[in-house]
Amino acid sequence: AIQLTQSPSSLSASVGDRVTITCRASHGISSALAWYQQKPGKPPNLLIYSASSLQSGVPSRFSGSGSGTDFTLTISSLQPEDFAIYYCQQFNSYPFTFGPGTKVDIK
Amino acid sequence: EVQLVESGGGLVKPGGSLRLSCAASGSTFSNVWMSWVRQAPGEGLEWVARIKSKRDGVTTDYAAPVKGRFTISRDDSKQTVDLQMNSLKTEDTALYYCATGGPAGTYFDSWGQGILVAVSS
Repeated sequence: AIQLTQSPSSLSASVGDRVTITCRASHGISSALAWYQQKPGKPPNLLIYSASSLQSGVPSRFSGSGSGTDFTLTISSLQPEDFAIYYCQQFNSYPFTFGPGTKVDIK
Repeated sequence: EVQLVESGGGLVKPGGSLRLSCAASGSTFSNVWMSWVRQAPGEGLEWVARIKSKRDGVTTDYAAPVKGRFTISRDDSKQTVDLQMNSLKTEDTALYYCATGGPAGTYFDSWGQGILVAVSS
């Protein structure tokens, strides 16, 4: 199975900060990567698919990049509603796998 | 986008069985590939199983920890997808989501609210 690692596991940031989260795959997955945001008590919300495509309705401050084994989620200017846990997911091959998550909280 | 509602969760003893169901509405259900994803308390997300559409052969895939114990199935006439869980273990305790989206159900833009399964003696 393809393993995904995320860094950092957590970060503290202020409103307005630029935030970058990294996801690394154990094997190349082309651009078959998605990013999700999850808030307490809610299901995950799709932000980015195919590494860099913004899901409809998601604010443009979210962006994704990368291919192969290294991927990045960037929040250009952190907003109060962005404090949450972020997960990457690979869909290149079964079993689908998720990264362990990155918790973004308030500094 | 499809709307999803899970049901059937609860408390079960180790070794027991439980059947989850997910009711879908708002889309052409028969064409979508459906998955179950779970989240243990305080933990991350784990993909569990996936079933293809009838036109794609209704084939299934499972995560290693549940293979041979869980069975995913679908009833397009009722617009439901079920997860039969047998030989349950304490480590199966989690919130179970049904989910779908993307081409061939690859990434998930539609999620249910989740249903809790607790395995404990």
